Amino acid sequence: GAVVSQHPSRVICKSGTSVKIECRSLDFQATTMFWYRQFPKQSLMLMATSNEGSKATYEQGVEKDKFLINHASLTLSTLTVTSAHPEDSSFYICSVPAGGPDTQYFGPGTRLTVL
Amino acid sequence: SQKIEQNSEALNIQEGKTATLTCNYTNYSPAYLQWYRQDPGRGPVFLLLIRENEKEKRKERLKVTFDTTLKQSLFHITASQPADSATYLCALESRPGYALNFGKGTSLLVTP
Repeated sequence: GAVVSQHPSRVICKSGTSVKIECRSLDFQATTMFWYRQFPKQSLMLMATSNEGSKATYEQGVEKDKFLINHASLTLSTLTVTSAHPEDSSFYICSVPAGGPDTQYFGPGTRLTVL
Repeated sequence: SQKIEQNSEALNIQEGKTATLTCNYTNYSPAYLQWYRQDPGRGPVFLLLIRENEKEKRKERLKVTFDTTLKQSLFHITASQPADSATYLCALESRPGYALNFGKGTSLLVTP
């Protein structure tokens, strides 16, 4: 299956700063990647679909100006949390649908803590 | 609205026993259903996919059933081991060809 990495694995930042999270598909060219967010004891919630070469598609209730997504190449998507606040503290996970949406490979996740 | 419900309480079982986890869904007409394992602080790992025309699927010690009439899937781990302790997530397509919606997961603890 596809190998997906995320960087950083953990980040702590001050309120008001911006944080960039990278998602890389190491062995599969992905025109689409998905970004999820998971709060403690909660399910993964889809935030947006990252599309290579075009704008990301955001789920209802997710602010596109706050969560900037750039899918610059077939192997890299980045999620930037702008002007982060404590309520943005969460576990952010990306996935690559390798071979179709019924086969998704997830990254290891990034734990964001905003102080 | 679409809902995916899994046992909210943790499941504690003794090593060697069979663990059975339940996933119920509403307002979906899924072509398939998936089960994932998630360890603390890690991303989900794909375990099994079962399609709407399949009643049962097996993979080593894992067995999944899918009843589209009851709108339910059961996930079984036979001869459970402490290493099976994790949270197990049920997932369905939000709509055809799109990303997955997940249940909250059921935490399984297998004690020696």
